[in-house]
Amino acid sequence: GDSVTQMEGPVTLSEEAFLTINCTYTATGYPSLFWYVQYPGEGLQLLLKATKADDKGSNKGFEATYRKETTSFHLEKGSVQVSDSAVYFCALSGSGGYQKVTFGTGTKLQVIP
Amino acid sequence: EAGVAQSPRYKIIEKRQSVAFWCNPISGHATLYWYQQILGQGPKLLIQFQNNGVVDDSQLPKDRFSAERLKGVDSTLKIQPAKLEDSAVYLCASSLPGQRNTEAFFGQGTRLTVV
Repeated sequence: GDSVTQMEGPVTLSEEAFLTINCTYTATGYPSLFWYVQYPGEGLQLLLKATKADDKGSNKGFEATYRKETTSFHLEKGSVQVSDSAVYFCALSGSGGYQKVTFGTGTKLQVIP
Repeated sequence: EAGVAQSPRYKIIEKRQSVAFWCNPISGHATLYWYQQILGQGPKLLIQFQNNGVVDDSQLPKDRFSAERLKGVDSTLKIQPAKLEDSAVYLCASSLPGQRNTEAFFGQGTRLTVV
């Protein structure tokens, strides 16, 4: 079945540091890939997405590129802020033409001033 | 645009009791999902509806969990009887149907504690 594997947290970074959160997936066919973010006390919200190979999703300074050859969708940000502290979930949808969203276990990011 | 509404936000019950959660999706979203998120884990799909029909309930523990979506709008998820391991956040999400890259919009969830 479908699965998403992401690096375990927590990840602690100083403000303005470079961020990478690794994500790899196993799926049938050509899924769409997503990063969701969950800020403290809030619900899940979509951060960015990519729907086909070599697509780059971007939002709020975050980027991730759909790499079919390595089945990866790593999240990056050049300079993190304290306000980026949250839990980040990698997810996929549309495997085998199916709309179900499958999530990774989440990576907690803490940015310290 | 109003988001996905869920209630209650928090619930504490004793094991073997029953509990129900309610979800109102975004207007016009035919697809509705219920997810279970245990602390430290990613959300796990329990059931997916398309309008009022079930698309996927393969991970729903049917001996104790049930869900319905009458009239293809609101949905309720019920647990009867509850077990300690049911302690989790229950998330409802909705999306437009038919598109594999469509974003799912999530409610704030109901945090259930079973004691």
